[in-house]
Amino acid sequence: DGGITQSPKYLFRKEGQNVTLSCEQNLNHDAMYWYRQDPGQGLRLIYYSQIVNDFQKGDIAEGYSVSREKKESFPLTVTSAQKNPTAFYLCASTQGLSSYGYTFGSGTRLTVV
Amino acid sequence: GENVEQHPSTLSVQEGDSAVIKCTYSDSASNYFPWYKQELGKRPQLIIDIRSNVGEKKDQRIAVTLNKTAKHFSLHITETQPEDSAVYFCAASREGGSEKLVFGKGTKLTVNP
Repeated sequence: DGGITQSPKYLFRKEGQNVTLSCEQNLNHDAMYWYRQDPGQGLRLIYYSQIVNDFQKGDIAEGYSVSREKKESFPLTVTSAQKNPTAFYLCASTQGLSSYGYTFGSGTRLTVV
Repeated sequence: GENVEQHPSTLSVQEGDSAVIKCTYSDSASNYFPWYKQELGKRPQLIIDIRSNVGEKKDQRIAVTLNKTAKHFSLHITETQPEDSAVYFCAASREGGSEKLVFGKGTKLTVNP
């Protein structure tokens, strides 16, 4: 499945709950990214990590948290502080620090119910 | 930071016609410009990219042109087919460091049979 796996494909969250989206890659890529996709808004960067145990905020980090304890894994937690979390979330990875050839996961669609 | 503007947001063409999508960028130091295609419900996939040392690149029915002076680049699709229907994203970055891609907001292309 392209070497980068996101789960679950669909996720439903109640108001006030935290939820965690999984992203795992077996490409030995160094850098990993989380994007949020809303209709007409393109891809907006939430967080990214270029090495293990280090990550940086993107353009819309408020209400989200991440960790990078292993090179292969970059989970995203959508906290209750995120007021409008319903969206399509995409994880991506690249070799080294290059922006050449992002590989994207298949995405997780999160819906608040 | 870099800002990428993409136009039009929607584009409808007849099968066999050509389609052109245009992007402008703000950071004159950006030197890598990829294009991604995202079919409905699927992950974005890299279809073509160009670096700032060339002005044009072709791959079968698709081509990308770059005007560094004007800071804009375009995607050209000739002899469009229904399977070209998708959302297309342009992006820009400054290679050589740890720069991440900045995406445009996307163009929804519909090819009518």
